[in-house]
Amino acid sequence: DGGITQSPKYLFRKEGQNVTLSCEQNLNHDAMYWYRQDPGQGLRLIYYSQIVNDFQKGDIAEGYSVSREKKESFPLTVTSAQKNPTAFYLCASSIGGTHARNTEAFFGQGTRLTVV
Amino acid sequence: KNQVEQSPQSLIILEGKNCTLQCNYTVSPFSNLRWYKQDTGRGPVSLTIMTFSENTKSNGRYTATLDADTKQSSLHITASQLSDSASYICVVSLSGAGSYQLTFGKGTKLSVIP
Repeated sequence: DGGITQSPKYLFRKEGQNVTLSCEQNLNHDAMYWYRQDPGQGLRLIYYSQIVNDFQKGDIAEGYSVSREKKESFPLTVTSAQKNPTAFYLCASSIGGTHARNTEAFFGQGTRLTVV
Repeated sequence: KNQVEQSPQSLIILEGKNCTLQCNYTVSPFSNLRWYKQDTGRGPVSLTIMTFSENTKSNGRYTATLDADTKQSSLHITASQLSDSASYICVVSLSGAGSYQLTFGKGTKLSVIP
């Protein structure tokens, strides 16, 4: 099946540890995104990548890092510098930039990260 | 500041009834407006995408309307089902230099009860 897969579904992190969230897509999409969702808030953009080996900071990039070594993969690392990492993380992909007319953004099923 | 405001925040309706969710936005310049359905603990799934030239778009029992002049959109759900219980998120896309970003509303949480 074509789609976008996030893993793991649930992740627990001790304070001071870095953790990496996986995002893989087999849709042959150029663009990939990471969003953070907190209760009662809209999704906020962490990082996005329009092409392999290139990525840009979103609105809340501090404490996060990404890489885009392959078109299919866009892992997100939550570092110890992120002071409030407990949240629901969503990865998305699209054929081109989301500004393009009728360009759809497909979302993964999310990873819920909890700091213990 | 680009914003997307949704109302109501939450809504409870009886199965089989219709309902309408509202979205007002201040995003400019505007490219398109999307409605997503998000089940609890899952990723959002697209319902409709509309450009500024489209007034209405349907997807089964879901019908979205757009008034680009007043910057308002609505999502109408007909003959609701228990499976419609979810959060419905309005998303507006910028055009131009900031075109890789979407502005998300906080969502309307819909509960359909028997």
